[in-house]
Amino acid sequence: KAGVTQTPRYLIKTRGQQVTLSCSPISGHRSVSWYQQTPGQGLQFLFEYFSETQRNKGNFPGRFSGRQFSNSRSEMNVSTLELGDSALYLCASSLGPSARLYEQYFGPGTRLTVT
Amino acid sequence: DQQVKQNSPSLSVQEGRISILNCDYTNSMFDYFLWYKKYPAEGPTFLISISSIKDKNEDGRFTVFLNKSAKHLSLHIVPSQPGDSAVYFCAALLNTGNQFYFGTGTSLTVIP
Repeated sequence: KAGVTQTPRYLIKTRGQQVTLSCSPISGHRSVSWYQQTPGQGLQFLFEYFSETQRNKGNFPGRFSGRQFSNSRSEMNVSTLELGDSALYLCASSLGPSARLYEQYFGPGTRLTVT
Repeated sequence: DQQVKQNSPSLSVQEGRISILNCDYTNSMFDYFLWYKKYPAEGPTFLISISSIKDKNEDGRFTVFLNKSAKHLSLHIVPSQPGDSAVYFCAALLNTGNQFYFGTGTSLTVIP
């Protein structure tokens, strides 16, 4: 069974630009969560989608948005990029929305560098 | 404000000895805790979890201990193996939701 895939793996953007990252969950998984990983902050929760609905949102500005499609694939978008947005963005998928019942499987991440 | 803290950024242990990774949290509403392991260029992988109704959970070489009064959990790896060298993250879930709160990670090096 294929794992969680994220595209692109690496991305370099300029301040003020916008970026879209893509996540394909494991086949059959309907829940997708996004995280930002930075050296000083660890992994910080961005948002969670289940059946195309955003169920949970972390404490990030409105420049960060996401969506989920009917095939469970998810995208996240960051507009008006800032230098501080440089990070590893991780996507995780699970069968269902309860993290207590369903293990989360992480993708390898997209490394975003903002210059 | 970091609600889950891993105060040791790195740890080195001899092969065969015990590795103890620590994690502290501040929010008493956390009721479920997990440990993840992360190798370079890979996403984190689930290792072990514990519910707040327990104080210990064991899976092979890995044991997680939870001290609710101290708001502290630890991961014990016995015996440590070179393949255990990775970054370990602890995570916590609030009893009201499904959002993970992660620590900043501890990089474990097991020396052969």
